Amino acid sequence: EIVMTQSPATLSVSPGERATLSCRASQNINSNLAWYQQKPGQAPRLLIYGAFTRATGIPARFSGSGSGTQFTLTISSLQSEDSAVYYCQQYNYWYTFGQGTKLEIK
Amino acid sequence: QVQLVQSGGGLVKPGGSLRLSCAASGFRFSDYYMTWIRQAPGKGLEWVSYISGPANSSYHADSVKGRFTISRDNARNLLYLQMNSLRAEDTAVYFCARDGRYSSTFYNSWGQGTLVTVSS
Repeated sequence: EIVMTQSPATLSVSPGERATLSCRASQNINSNLAWYQQKPGQAPRLLIYGAFTRATGIPARFSGSGSGTQFTLTISSLQSEDSAVYYCQQYNYWYTFGQGTKLEIK
Repeated sequence: QVQLVQSGGGLVKPGGSLRLSCAASGFRFSDYYMTWIRQAPGKGLEWVSYISGPANSSYHADSVKGRFTISRDNARNLLYLQMNSLRAEDTAVYFCARDGRYSSTFYNSWGQGTLVTVSS
């Protein structure tokens, strides 16, 4: 099984600043990585697929980068509505998710 | 627009059975793989099962293999998850999700989720 490890577990950032979330795969997953945002009581929402392609309707302040085993989700100019848990998911070999990063807006 | 509306779920005793349904609209259902994903209370996401568009292939996670069965009715745009021999560790919110067209990959539309509680 490919293990996905996200860091940090919790991140607290002020509005207008940049948040950087990391995701590491236990083996090479090429660019077969997606990012999701989940708010309390809601289903996850796809943000990024293919490591860096924004899903339809996702604001440009969300960007993804990386390949192989190291990936990053960057949220520039944070807004209050970005407060959520963010998950990465690999689909290179079966399907596994990271444990999530909780993003808090100060 | 794409809509996935889930039904089923509830409280069931260990060893019991339950069937979840997911009604799809707003897209050509039979063209897409569909997937079930679950989330235990306060925990992360776990892939459970997927089924191809024509329903000629399906796979289940080891944790549910032999107990859960995914199926679909393309004429009625419905996805199902039959859950048998339920255990306490199956307690979770279950989500259906639209997958890829040509293979199972990532999930760009999700149902609202339905809670399954396994407890005596």
